[in-house]
Amino acid sequence: DTAVSQTPKYLVTQMGNDKSIKCEQNLGHDTMYWYKQDSKKFLKIMFSYNNKELIINETVPNRFSPKSPDKAHLNLHINSLELGDSAVYFCASSQDSGVAAAGQYFGPGTRLTVT
Amino acid sequence: GNSVTQMEGPVTLSEEAFLTINCTYTATGYPSLFWYVQYPGEGLQLLLKATKADDKGSNKGFEATYRKETTSFHLEKGSVQVSDSAVYFCASHYNQGGKLIFGQGTELSVKP
Repeated sequence: DTAVSQTPKYLVTQMGNDKSIKCEQNLGHDTMYWYKQDSKKFLKIMFSYNNKELIINETVPNRFSPKSPDKAHLNLHINSLELGDSAVYFCASSQDSGVAAAGQYFGPGTRLTVT
Repeated sequence: GNSVTQMEGPVTLSEEAFLTINCTYTATGYPSLFWYVQYPGEGLQLLLKATKADDKGSNKGFEATYRKETTSFHLEKGSVQVSDSAVYFCASHYNQGGKLIFGQGTELSVKP
């Protein structure tokens, strides 16, 4: 069984479109994250939710809006896509947002290509 | 601010060679330190960790020792295999805030 799953795995879309990426974890964890990995493999956190509440919100354009309908799901919606949004987006989860946040489980990633 | 710096890649080695990937951190205080590995086309997996000075993390033949005096957490393996080819990320974490800070990643390629 996949612990952290993301859909879709690949997403190709045009500039200006709106798209969503979904993430689900079946580990019973309280905390979930979204990361962006650029073409040079640099990995940066975007958001973190603990029990459906936003706890980390890095400097990310407000075109990106996370939504957590329950603690097992954290979706990422992106409005008005731009070329610079092309990247691999990783979802992750951890048991909580404290010490256990160090041991995060990552999903397989969603490769977003904006043309 | 807190940051993590790794040696630049790619690193190319022959099978059974000795591996070192350097990692240093800047921090106010004493973070926990980690190595994550990303195999091609996959997400990151936790490889090993150390939570306090002089701790040694180890897993799958890889080791790293938390050195407070040099603010380092270098990854080592005595004899690499082709299957170790991946990108390796060093990361630091503080209890407060729950945020992992990653280095820029080091790509390792092992040739038979």
